[in-house]
Amino acid sequence: QVQLVQSGAEVKKPGASVKVSCKASGYTFTSYGITWVRQAPGQGLEWMGCISPLNGNTNYGQKLQHRVTMTTDTSTSTAYMELRSLRSDDTAVYYCARDQYNSRWAYLGADYWGQGTLVTVSS
Amino acid sequence: EIVMTQSPATLSVSPGERATLSCRASQNINSNLGWYQQKPGQAPRLLIYGASTRATGIPARFSGSGSGTEFTLTISNLQSEDFTLYYCQQSNDWPRTFGQGTKVEIK
Repeated sequence: QVQLVQSGAEVKKPGASVKVSCKASGYTFTSYGITWVRQAPGQGLEWMGCISPLNGNTNYGQKLQHRVTMTTDTSTSTAYMELRSLRSDDTAVYYCARDQYNSRWAYLGADYWGQGTLVTVSS
Repeated sequence: EIVMTQSPATLSVSPGERATLSCRASQNINSNLGWYQQKPGQAPRLLIYGASTRATGIPARFSGSGSGTEFTLTISNLQSEDFTLYYCQQSNDWPRTFGQGTKVEIK
């Protein structure tokens, strides 16, 4: 069965970096994209960006594009999201999700999600 | 970026009745819209993609409609597990923006 298992909770100081991992299993990793979404406490969903494990192509949200890097390791079917220069308002649950596309590359939504990783930024 | 506006913020409906949630895009997104359900403490769950296609395993009481800038998620015969948060997301252009969410609560 398809699973996305994320790394554990992190506590970081302002200005530090965090790298969250998302290990995929149960499907061909390079056949689907990976999306990252975050959710601050009590707030809505914020799309951070996505990556194609097939070719490494990325698209980032405008708000975070200068501080975020998404990568994949196809040998271990793992996606990574690194966020730099952390601020208190980066405190959130970070989710990875599998992006599905049809044969004409039309987007069919994020159909499987990781369990979420809480990142707390506090001095 | 495309701004997605959901209304209402909170919808009060009785069990067994119908809920109608709206999502408006700031520009034409064709049919490139998805709906997600999120329960407290859980990851979002894909309900609808392509504005009207139910995702795998989603009950038929969930239906989506619309194109262009106006979209609707209809939940018929509301069950207890349906009282939660719902988000729309456009995938017509980068970045793939979400609406701010609609909470469906028990009336």
